[in-house]
Amino acid sequence: DARVTQTPRHKVTEMGQEVTMRCQPILGHNTVFWYRQTMMQGLELLAYFRNRAPLDDSGMPKDRFSAEMPDATLATLKIQPSEPRDSAVYFCASGEFLAEAFFGQGTRLTVV
Amino acid sequence: AQSVTQLDSHVSVSEGTPVLLRCNYSSSYSPSLFWYVQHPNKGLQLLLKYTSAATLVKGINGFEAEFKKSETSFHLTKPSAHMSDAAEYFCVVSQGGYNKLIFGAGTRLAVHP
Repeated sequence: DARVTQTPRHKVTEMGQEVTMRCQPILGHNTVFWYRQTMMQGLELLAYFRNRAPLDDSGMPKDRFSAEMPDATLATLKIQPSEPRDSAVYFCASGEFLAEAFFGQGTRLTVV
Repeated sequence: AQSVTQLDSHVSVSEGTPVLLRCNYSSSYSPSLFWYVQHPNKGLQLLLKYTSAATLVKGINGFEAEFKKSETSFHLTKPSAHMSDAAEYFCVVSQGGYNKLIFGAGTRLAVHP
């Protein structure tokens, strides 16, 4: 049963620390998304990739966030330095071109 | 630019009664439209999708949605609500050739006995 895998599922960190979230997309999917979900803002698109190339990262705070796809089986989202306002659930999703996206279970990040 | 408006932030129904969750979209292109469901503390699961084939789309768990271009709507319905349907529902539009998914604000469905 193919699924998107995100690690870690939960992360508690202190303000100022670096946070790295990882995502393994479904094999064969060429599009990967990173979303952030908060009560106040709902689901926000942070970045998305097509064939490992970033197509749009306009939703991401550039000074502290970075997203990469080192290879087709791994996408990463880093926050450095982290701040309390970054506390949220971060979702990764993958899909094929013009088709639906399949979501991972999310990483719940708490920055204290 | 594409956008999605979910007309109700909360909907409450009794078990066994019909469900209607409303969604209007704005799109410069022929859109692809989706409904996703999110149960508490879970990820998002695809309910159904419209991609310019039949305008009435059937999904999982008895849900269906009808694409109405003249009304720019894609409302989600179910004839009879079940307690397990209580969740948050998101209407989503795919932006043209970029396949960028734009989410609505969500509708929280409550189902009462």
